[in-house]
Amino acid sequence: DAEITQSPRHKITETGRQVTLACHQTWNHNNMFWYRQDLGHGLRLIHYSYGVQDTNKGEVSDGYSVSRSNTEDLPLTLESAASSQTSVYFCASSPAGGRTDTQYFGPGTRLTVL
Amino acid sequence: QKEVEQDPGPLSVPEGAIVSLNCTYSNSAFQYFMWYRQYSRKGPELLMYTYSSGNKEDGRFTAQVDKSSKYISLFIRDSQPSDSATYLCAMVAGNMLTFGGGTRLMVKP
Repeated sequence: DAEITQSPRHKITETGRQVTLACHQTWNHNNMFWYRQDLGHGLRLIHYSYGVQDTNKGEVSDGYSVSRSNTEDLPLTLESAASSQTSVYFCASSPAGGRTDTQYFGPGTRLTVL
Repeated sequence: QKEVEQDPGPLSVPEGAIVSLNCTYSNSAFQYFMWYRQYSRKGPELLMYTYSSGNKEDGRFTAQVDKSSKYISLFIRDSQPSDSATYLCAMVAGNMLTFGGGTRLMVKP
């Protein structure tokens, strides 16, 4: 069955370190998204991509970057982790065209920055 | 003021009760409205999708949209303990989703 996976599921790191969270989908979806979820803020969009080599900033992109070298993967990099980036991160994907707003979410990565 | 407002709860109801979950919004550009369900330590999953004002029913779930009042609702009939989760409303303008903060629902046996 097609799916979307994230790794690692849990990560503890120290401030200032570079961290990369992986997202892999097997639906062949063109669109991929990264969100963070925090109490009181719900899901907030970090970055998104509409296809290979396309990346765009979302609502809370400062301190994060993404790159899209193939259809299946959209890794999220925290250049220099900060305690404010402690959160649960969700990757999502949706098909191109038509209802691109119907997004399918991964299981999430719980990141703690000490 | 957030674009989408949702009471965080928690909302605790007995099994079999009718549950009403609500969101208000301020952006008139929102065209599509969705409800996602999120179990603890899982990713959100799409539950209901509506476009126009009015009601849409799917089994025990009914989604209601009132664009004139900028208000959407999700009703759950005959609630079950398995319905215990966080329910997030989401709204679409262009290709972007804007989420409410989620309401945590607990259905007690």
